[in-house]
Amino acid sequence: DAGITQSPRHKVTETGTPVTLRCHQTENHRYMYWYRQDPGHGLRLIHYSYGVKDTDKGEVSDGYSVSRSKTEDFLLTLESATSSQTSVYFCAIREPGQGTEAFFGQGTRLTVV
Amino acid sequence: DAKTTQPPSMDCAEGRAANLPCNHSTISGNEYVYWYRQIHSQGPQYIIHGLKNNETNEMASLIITEDRKSSTLILPHATLRDTAVYYCIVRVAAGNQFYFGTGTSLTVIP
Repeated sequence: DAGITQSPRHKVTETGTPVTLRCHQTENHRYMYWYRQDPGHGLRLIHYSYGVKDTDKGEVSDGYSVSRSKTEDFLLTLESATSSQTSVYFCAIREPGQGTEAFFGQGTRLTVV
Repeated sequence: DAKTTQPPSMDCAEGRAANLPCNHSTISGNEYVYWYRQIHSQGPQYIIHGLKNNETNEMASLIITEDRKSSTLILPHATLRDTAVYYCIVRVAAGNQFYFGTGTSLTVIP
């Protein structure tokens, strides 16, 4: 799995509670990404990071925040979880460059009840 | 805001070549075409990518038209384990982002 670990792998939480998902890499790749996947939508980009403390929004960033204080860790936080954030979340890493591929983690299944 | 168009589903007989098409008519000159696949609910798996020339690796071949407005992923001898959703992606060079569409669900039939 290209040295990517997502934690937790499964989580059930209640509406209104904060949740943090962690992506840890051992590849020292500069770029990291968070996606969510819902039926009928494929994967949609939430936030991405192009270096330590450098992050930017993707296409579905509302309700999410991210932090990257170290190269190896990219955290995704739901400040106040809602049922619409029930989804499978994938982290990806990539080296800079025009023709470099991204490698994906195995996903975190989050259920907000 | 997907920049690619793929058929939603395809079938292929086991042992035959699977040819998966993708349209990317708005592709820019420096944007690569990437192919990934996703089996069940696993993380997407990288297959191949290319810019202008046709590419081949141990998994597949990628044929890109001369005008770069479309491409075809070829799995030369499909097996049941190739049943998956296949995504064609054009990387947005400026933002270094990968935008996924809904992909093609390929079913390999025994």
